[in-house]
Parts: sequence; structure tokens; C-alpha cells
Amino acid sequence: DIQMTQSPSTLSASVGDRVTITCRASQSISSWLAWYQQKPGKAPKLLIYKASSLESGVPSRFSGSGSGTEFTLTINSLQPDDFATYYCQQYSSYWTFGQGTKVEIK
Amino acid sequence: EVQLVESGGGLVQPGGSLRLSCTASGFTFSTDSMNWVRQAPGKGLEWVSYITSSSSTIYYADSVKGRFTISRDNAKNSLYLQMNSLRDEDTAVYYCARDPGGNSGAYYFDYWGQGTLVTVSS
Repeated sequence: DIQMTQSPSTLSASVGDRVTITCRASQSISSWLAWYQQKPGKAPKLLIYKASSLESGVPSRFSGSGSGTEFTLTINSLQPDDFATYYCQQYSSYWTFGQGTKVEIK
Repeated sequence: EVQLVESGGGLVQPGGSLRLSCTASGFTFSTDSMNWVRQAPGKGLEWVSYITSSSSTIYYADSVKGRFTISRDNAKNSLYLQMNSLRDEDTAVYYCARDPGGNSGAYYFDYWGQGTLVTVSS
């Protein structure tokens, strides 16, 4: 089974900050990685697929990069609406999510 | 507008059964693979099961294999999850989620329902 490890688990940031979340896979997953945003009591929302492709309607301040085993989600100029929990997901072999990164207000 | 609406959750005793439904609208349900994903209270996301558009290919997470059965009725635009031999650790919000790749499969999930809560407790 492929394990996904996100870091950090919690991140404190201010509006306007640049934020980076890292996701590592236990084996190579090529670019078969997605990122989701989830707010309390809501369903996850797709942000990025195939490691770096921005889902339609998602603001351009979100970007993804990486391949193989190491990936990053970057949020440029953090907005109030961006405080949420973020999950990576591999879909190279079945499906596995990272444990999540909570982005909270500093 | 794509909509996925889950139903069927509730309180069930350990060892009991429950059938979840997910009704789809706003897209051609019969051409897309579908998934169930769950989230235990205060925890992360866990993929549960996958079914292709024609039901020809089905996968399950090891944690539910042999106890849960995924199915679909394309004529009714509906996805189902039959859950048997339920355990305390199956307590979670269950989401249905669409794979947008059509017959080719994309394998990520672009639309999710609002979720239905399943509580397994005596």
C-alpha cells in the first residue's frame, strides 16, 4: 500500500502570507496526485489534479508541483477564505489520502 | 449543476446493516465511475470503494472488504453502499464522489456529496 505523509500537520499563517504544504509518497506515484480543501462540516473540494493542474474555478493563487515521491501545494497571498484543512491524495495505486494539514489564523 | 445527495445514514448497533444511497443529477451519471469515501469524526479522509460506469470493475479498501458492497443503478442515477457486519470503527461521514474521467477514468474526485453520518454504537 502507498502511504502519504503531509507536513506540517498544522500551520499558523496570516492573511497575505505565502504558504507551502508538503506531501510525500512512500513510493513513486509519478504525477498521480490531487489536492483537496475541506472546511468544517463541508465536503472536500478539489483544487489540483495531476500534481499541478488547477481545477476549473479554483483561484490562481493555488498551485501544485512535484513528481515521483515529493509534492507541494503553495498558496500565494493567503486569503481569509483559505483557512481550512488540506489533503493530498494519490491515485497511482488505488487511493490514499494524507493525514491533512490544518491552516489556521496566526 | 452537478449534485450528489447521500441518504440512508443513521444509528445502528454493532453487527448490524445499513444501505447508503447517493442520487446524482446535473451530469451523465451512466458514463462516470463513482466512489465512496468516509471520514471518522475529527479524522482524515479514507477511500472506501470504487465502481466503474458499467459496474464491470469494483474495488474495496481492505478495511471493508467482505463486509461492504458497492453497486449502482444507472437508470435511477443512483449509487449504493450496502454495509453489513458494521463495527464501531465504521462510524463516519460517508461521501459519494465522482471520477470525472468518463470511460477512460481520471481517478481523482471532482464532485462530492454533502455526506451522510453513520454511527455504529450499542
